[in-house]
Amino acid sequence: NAGVTQTPKFRVLKTGQSMTLLCAQDMNHEYMYWYRQDPGMGLRLIHYSVGEGTTAKGEVPDGYNVSRLKKQNFLLGLESAAPSQTSVYFCASSYSPRSYGYTFGSGTRLTVV
Amino acid sequence: QQQVKQSPQSLIVQKGGISIINCAYENTAFDYFPWYQQFPGKGPALLIAIRPDVSEKKEGRFTISFNKSAKQFSLHIMDSQPGDSATYFCAASRDSSNTGKLIFGQGTTLQVKP
Repeated sequence: NAGVTQTPKFRVLKTGQSMTLLCAQDMNHEYMYWYRQDPGMGLRLIHYSVGEGTTAKGEVPDGYNVSRLKKQNFLLGLESAAPSQTSVYFCASSYSPRSYGYTFGSGTRLTVV
Repeated sequence: QQQVKQSPQSLIVQKGGISIINCAYENTAFDYFPWYQQFPGKGPALLIAIRPDVSEKKEGRFTISFNKSAKQFSLHIMDSQPGDSATYFCAASRDSSNTGKLIFGQGTTLQVKP
């Protein structure tokens, strides 16, 4: 039982490049979330999904896009990376967020140079 | 704007001491307040949570105290151990959104010295 798996774990991008971060969960969770973690800023919600085929914007969506074509996968895309997107990205999923909390992945450390 | 404000940013406690982390929120519609614990190189994990119909919840050495009128809640770690050294995040959400979205505080890095 893998839980929430994020790939890649580390990545260095040049400004203007694009990439996709993959989040996969094997727990049949409906809810999935992408957060970014920056020092002194805590965790900030980028986008989220309440079920297959749905997505919605969070607190800091600019510069990111997401897709949830399959229930188990939630993809985060950066179309044109900027240094301000240097961060640690966490994916989380939940069956019932207010009863059982989130299950987080181990994160992707992204550096944009 | 930061809807959940957490303090202190860092905390050093001796083994056996009490660690106290505070959070304040602005939105009175928030009705679920969890705490998450994060070890280096790992994702956060749910530690304990409270709803505003109770003023205190205890699970082992971890206690949440909740003050609805002051819009504040805090995490107390009794008999702190070196294994408690981690980053702690408070968070808040509101049921009416039905999205499970959490607003996190800025985080507190706790170091427990042996």
